[in-house]
Amino acid sequence: QQPVQSPQAVILREGEDAVINCSSSKALYSVHWYRQKHGEAPVFLMILLKGGEQKGHEKISASFNEKKQQSSLYLTASQLSYSGTYFCGTGYSGAGSYQLTFGKGTKLSVIP
Amino acid sequence: DVKVTQSSRYLVKRTGEKVFLECVQDMDHENMFWYRQDPGLGLRLIYFSYDVKMKEKGDIPEGYSVSREKKERFSLILESASTNQTSMYLCASTLWKGVTDTQYFGPGTRLTVL
Repeated sequence: QQPVQSPQAVILREGEDAVINCSSSKALYSVHWYRQKHGEAPVFLMILLKGGEQKGHEKISASFNEKKQQSSLYLTASQLSYSGTYFCGTGYSGAGSYQLTFGKGTKLSVIP
Repeated sequence: DVKVTQSSRYLVKRTGEKVFLECVQDMDHENMFWYRQDPGLGLRLIYFSYDVKMKEKGDIPEGYSVSREKKERFSLILESASTNQTSMYLCASTLWKGVTDTQYFGPGTRLTVL
């Protein structure tokens, strides 16, 4: 079952912050975040494993709330280069542990 | 750096044709995946393979088959292409199980079926 991402789209001015959420109806083992620019392949940002951790990558960080079965991606002081579509991919333990299920994506546009 | 390549960036085929999409990775990865990407629907898994000659259905396998005869190569086959298979097709690979490992994506093949 696809995780639900929100919002579907967001427009920011340079320097503003944004939060993108990813929720699952099933117990999560891992959450992956990818960014895809128009016409390009998705690029890995980070993986969070169950345990409620938080990770950071430059000004982009993420949290994983195991109890709520959701993850949030935080983009602070946004730059023009942050524009793109952000996907979360959710992983589950057990028989499906080889694969990720991706959300529909959140389109982020950063304007000057 | 891991490199995943796909045989074509753009492909135009006619309804009923047999279509082969090829994917090659150069990092000795165990697992390979085929996704299709459609506007508003995100990435959806078609098939994946965790070893040579092994394959597993993903979420939308209908109308597709796959082949993995060599570790580095994973082919997606449309036995009889239909217009609803017009889409962007992305291949990916991982060294370990997909839930704990980075997926490296190829550049994609945009397939149009007329």
